[in-house]
Amino acid sequence: DTGVSQDPRHKITKRGQNVTFRCDPISEHNRLYWYRQTLGQGPEFLTYFQNEAQLEKSRLLSDRFSAERPKGSFSTLEIQRTEQGDSAMYLCASSLSGTPYEQYFGPGTRLTVT
Amino acid sequence: DAKTTQPPSMDCAEGRAANLPCNHSTISGNEYVYWYRQIHSQGPQYIIHGLKNNETNEMASLIITEDRKSSTLILPHATLRDTAVYYCIVRVANAGNMLTFGGGTRLMVKP
Repeated sequence: DTGVSQDPRHKITKRGQNVTFRCDPISEHNRLYWYRQTLGQGPEFLTYFQNEAQLEKSRLLSDRFSAERPKGSFSTLEIQRTEQGDSAMYLCASSLSGTPYEQYFGPGTRLTVT
Repeated sequence: DAKTTQPPSMDCAEGRAANLPCNHSTISGNEYVYWYRQIHSQGPQYIIHGLKNNETNEMASLIITEDRKSSTLILPHATLRDTAVYYCIVRVANAGNMLTFGGGTRLMVKP
């Protein structure tokens, strides 16, 4: 257990529905990252926050994807109008800003779009 | 960022040292080498990082060649629980944010 939690761990949804995932980082970590991982591939970076500011979002896969970290603590990742190609593991990680590449990952949320 | 090359898979006998190589021939002077691993159905786990000196922690040792064009992650006494995909990542420290994961090496520790 790294101290990063994600909820839910599994989500099955029908195509066209909206889904939201939550990530709770390690409490003293001010940076929070979202990645997506498809089967057989390494994780792919999506976006990150420093405190409540979203500093990089150009790699979000489409405008159907959005993320928030309203009070600089937990974060949510929302996918609107899900498609079958969105089926993947969504991983959250956190770090201190002074050591941004020492990231602690949560267990992930596995999304299946039917 | 420098590109990294790792063998797709390796086997190791339980109790023996696992030596995982990584080639990063285009690495620049201010780029660090980071290693992560991902055990099946879990998120990636930070292992170790280094710039040019060899590094050791409770999990592993990192040996970086003098020209810094390659490195080796050493798990001194591999156990079955070390079976995982190991990723070698090169980044400029504090230059940004994202980790770029390649294909990694799938290490299978066998009894």
